[in-house]
Amino acid sequence: QVQLVQSGAEVKKPGSSVKVSCKASGGTFSSYTISWVRQAPGQGLEWMGRIIPILGIANYAQKFQGRVTITADKSTSTAYMELSSLRSEDTAVYYCARGNGSGWFYFDYWGQGTLVTVSS
Amino acid sequence: QSALTQPPSVSGSPGQSVTISCTGTSSDVGSYNRVSWYQQPPGTAPKLMIYEVSNRPSGVPDRFSGSKSGNTASLTISGLQAEDEADYYCSSYTSSSRVVFGGGTKLTVL
Repeated sequence: QVQLVQSGAEVKKPGSSVKVSCKASGGTFSSYTISWVRQAPGQGLEWMGRIIPILGIANYAQKFQGRVTITADKSTSTAYMELSSLRSEDTAVYYCARGNGSGWFYFDYWGQGTLVTVSS
Repeated sequence: QSALTQPPSVSGSPGQSVTISCTGTSSDVGSYNRVSWYQQPPGTAPKLMIYEVSNRPSGVPDRFSGSKSGNTASLTISGLQAEDEADYYCSSYTSSSRVVFGGGTKLTVL
């Protein structure tokens, strides 16, 4: 059974960076993509970007371009999302989600979510 | 890329049918059969209910169905049950090879 297990909650200061991990088990890590989706309190889902682990290629939503970096370590089947220059509006639950091969744009497995709180 | 447009809320009684709409543009919903729907009960991660407009993953009841016409996709839930109460989100692939979500719809089972 596929599982995505994310790192724990974080509290960060404005202007700092956060790096969230997402470890996959079950399935073949290199045969699918990992996207990151965030959800601010009481708000909707927002796609941030994705990575193709086998190629190490990532692309990002225009809104986050220049501020987000998504990477993957094939040896540990772990994806990472780093968001810099944090502001209070970045307070949200961050999810990783698996896109299945050629159907990368729909997400069949999700991590449990990581709450990132940005506060001075 | 603007979010897809969904009604903020819909409601229905047990046994009834409800339909949630998702309106995009010719750069996303209208050009690709790559619309998905997710169910999110409070405090949980989203769950894939429909992919590629009308396909159901294994384990999703056939009470859930999807369709598309032009720039608008729809999710229909028939035989409404109390357990269906949740937030529902649509998403679409876009012409810039990205994904955009709808704003979400809160389904209340009366």
